[in-house]
Amino acid sequence: DVKVTQSSRYLVKRTGEKVFLECVQDMDHENMFWYRQDPGLGLRLIYFSYDVKMKEKGDIPEGYSVSREKKERFSLILESASTNQTSMYLCAAGGGPNNSPLHFGNGTRLTVT
Amino acid sequence: SQKIEQNSEALNIQEGKTATLTCNYTNYSPAYLQWYRQDPGRGPVFLLLIRENEKEKRKERLKVTFDTTLKQSLFHITASQPADSATYLCALDPYSGGGADGLTFGKGTHLIIQP
Repeated sequence: DVKVTQSSRYLVKRTGEKVFLECVQDMDHENMFWYRQDPGLGLRLIYFSYDVKMKEKGDIPEGYSVSREKKERFSLILESASTNQTSMYLCAAGGGPNNSPLHFGNGTRLTVT
Repeated sequence: SQKIEQNSEALNIQEGKTATLTCNYTNYSPAYLQWYRQDPGRGPVFLLLIRENEKEKRKERLKVTFDTTLKQSLFHITASQPADSATYLCALDPYSGGGADGLTFGKGTHLIIQP
């Protein structure tokens, strides 16, 4: 079965720290995505990638960057964490011209203090 | 502006009844629409996809309809069970480009099936 794995379930970081969130998929999908989910705001797309070393901004990219050095791995980077980046972060793989669904990891709950 | 709206209030349904969830959208012309289930502390899980030329899709106790004139999708769970309690999200491809740019999600409806 398809699997998307996020390396941490819970993270607590301090304001100003550089934070790396890691995501690995075993499906050989070209497309990978990072969303954040907040109460009352739902899921919002931060960045996505449709190929190795390619990246595109989503709806809320400010304060984030991404890295895709290998097809199976997509990393989200918070250059200087701030308290308003406290959220649930969800990685997904899938989509594309065949309308295949997105497969999500179980999320990383990040708290920035 | 583009919008996807789902009932923000929790929906309480008695076990055994049919639960009907609504997804309305404006300023989109999606080629398809997807429904996901999300349990607390977990990522969303795909349930069903319906294309614009399909009026209805079924999978076991689940049924989805898609009315492109009304710009609405309805999601039905028949013979509901307490295990169906979860948040249900509808999602569509905002650019009709096959989802390569990511899906846009509604905020979800929290469904509670009471025994």
